Amino acid sequence: AQTVTQSQPEMSVQEAETVTLSCTYDTSENNYYLFWYKQPPSRQMILVIRQEAYKQQNATENRFSVNFQKAAKSFSLKISDSQLGDTAMYFCAANVGGTSYGKLTFGQGTILTVHP
Amino acid sequence: NAGVTQTPKFRILKIGQSMTLQCTQDMNHNYMYWYRQDPGMGLKLIYYSVGAGITDKGEVPNGYNVSRSTTEDFPLRLELAAPSQTSVYFCASEVPRGNTIYFGEGSWLTVV
Repeated sequence: AQTVTQSQPEMSVQEAETVTLSCTYDTSENNYYLFWYKQPPSRQMILVIRQEAYKQQNATENRFSVNFQKAAKSFSLKISDSQLGDTAMYFCAANVGGTSYGKLTFGQGTILTVHP
Repeated sequence: NAGVTQTPKFRILKIGQSMTLQCTQDMNHNYMYWYRQDPGMGLKLIYYSVGAGITDKGEVPNGYNVSRSTTEDFPLRLELAAPSQTSVYFCASEVPRGNTIYFGEGSWLTVV
């Protein structure tokens, strides 16, 4: 069975600063995909960033980047120049495998608060 | 382009009642999913479908049923509602190998 663990229930950061959210996972698959989703109070699920396990290069999307350590099964999210709109719950997720990326296993989530 | 549409958005059920959560997508996606999100938790997969006429169980299927008669629709049926089914339900869809999963806005269900 695949598991995803987020060990930080809550994090806070000052506006314009950098914050890193942690995620570890466990899977027996060799090829898989990892995701970070943002969930604001509206509960909408917003894809932040995606990493393919066979790619060594860390994914980057504007102010969001990941530190993917395959051997350590670690997948952290770094948010640079934090903005008030980044305040949300963040979920790390991994696909179960195969051709379907929607069969995701989610972590417990980290509530991020950005302070002015 | 409406994407993934879920109805209803809010519903209160009494214990033992049944209801169907509707999910429709207009993107011609083969793969569709139902997730539930309990308070303060991540999403868990209930059922999924890889095409019309094909469905399979996810991590937490007990108490639910699904059908997939068309590519567009993937309804989730709750039989004999229980308080443990109080949750937010998300429908999602994707194109195989599309690398992008589209979520609906969620349906809030309370069982009292």
